[in-house]
Amino acid sequence: EDKVVQSPLSLVVHEGDTVTLNCSYEVTNFRSLLWYKQEKKAPTFLFMLTSSGIEKKSGRLSSILDKKELFSILNITATQTGDSAIYLCAVPYNEKLTFGTGTRLTIIP
Amino acid sequence: NAGVTQTPKFQVLKTGQSMTLQCAQDMNHEYMSWYRQDPGMGLRLIHYSVGAGITDQGEVPNGYNVSRSTTEDFPLRLLSAAPSQTSVYFCASINLRSSGANVLTFGAGSRLTVL
Repeated sequence: EDKVVQSPLSLVVHEGDTVTLNCSYEVTNFRSLLWYKQEKKAPTFLFMLTSSGIEKKSGRLSSILDKKELFSILNITATQTGDSAIYLCAVPYNEKLTFGTGTRLTIIP
Repeated sequence: NAGVTQTPKFQVLKTGQSMTLQCAQDMNHEYMSWYRQDPGMGLRLIHYSVGAGITDQGEVPNGYNVSRSTTEDFPLRLLSAAPSQTSVYFCASINLRSSGANVLTFGAGSRLTVL
């Protein structure tokens, strides 16, 4: 059975800290891994990773994939209160997209 | 360009009632899907469709029906609502022909409470 596991489930840090969120997967015929950010409403797309070792970066957020060890990390540096959200990773398999349970990140001012 | 539009945003039902959550997209996306989101469970796929006239079951299809008579619309029907169906529902679509295939575009969500 395909599986996507995120850790930690919940994380509380102070503004300015750096955080690392983890996503491991067990999926047959892996093609890509996606990261989403969900604030109050619908998830919004952050990154799609297909190749091992190549970092994707957007401002203070960056992500990298390790296809050998079957995981990805999402880093957020110099966190701000606006980074408080649930971060979801997802892996497509055939015509389905399997999501992890998410990491709830809370940034304390 | 409205993207993915879901209605209603909120709904309260009594056990045994039926209702339909509407989903429409104006991006000519072939792929449409319904997810439910519950605390600690992430997003779970209910049903999906890869084109008009084609639907298939996801991870948690029981208690839900779908149809796809047009490319734009993908309604989700609850035939006899149960308290276990209290959840937030998201409709999402993908342009399968694009280089960003697998990147879902989500609707704003529908919060359903079954009493």
